[in-house]
Amino acid sequence: KNQVEQSPQSLIILEGKNCTLQCNYTVSPFSNLRWYKQDTGRGPVSLTIMTFSENTKSNGRYTATLDADTKQSSLHITASQLSDSASYICVVSYFNQAGTALIFGKGTTLSVSS
Amino acid sequence: SAVISQKPSRDICQRGTSLTIQCQVDSQVTMMFWYRQQPGQSLTLIATANQGSEATYESGFVIDKFPISRPNLTFSTLTVSNMSPEDSSIYLCSARTGGYGYTFGSGTRLTVV
Repeated sequence: KNQVEQSPQSLIILEGKNCTLQCNYTVSPFSNLRWYKQDTGRGPVSLTIMTFSENTKSNGRYTATLDADTKQSSLHITASQLSDSASYICVVSYFNQAGTALIFGKGTTLSVSS
Repeated sequence: SAVISQKPSRDICQRGTSLTIQCQVDSQVTMMFWYRQQPGQSLTLIATANQGSEATYESGFVIDKFPISRPNLTFSTLTVSNMSPEDSSIYLCSARTGGYGYTFGSGTRLTVV
């Protein structure tokens, strides 16, 4: 069964600290993996997209890694800011008869405090 | 990247009534999607809406409950019909915006009382 599991479920860190969020998936055939940031009351906004051949991708203070062999991904946030408080969702795309489809993780809720 | 305007942003509705949610994309897109996001849960795909054809519904979702319109390449609506408190959720539209990109609307927070 295609699944995306994220950990931790929630995380509280102090402003300025780094953190790493985890994503494990059992999705095939794999197309790509995305990380989205969802602020409360808003729609998800894309942070990174990685295909099978990409190991790492950065977007400012966000760095995502992908190990396609172990089917694991991580999102590292450097020097956290209060505005980083949000839900971070790991989304895996796979090939199907219609082209591609998305499987969403439940997200990690990050709270950055001062 | 494309921008999607979704409205209403939130609504409180009486059970038994219907609510229509609208999504407007600022560019033409072939595929649009409707999702439900229940508290503490991941996004669940309701249906895929392609212009000029019937929407394709996922298992557990039916057209009578969630009728969808897609009159052109920039617009789609989702109606939540005969609502019950179990329909209280966030509803999101999304569009495939070229390459691997998917853009989301800002969501509609629906509360059924």
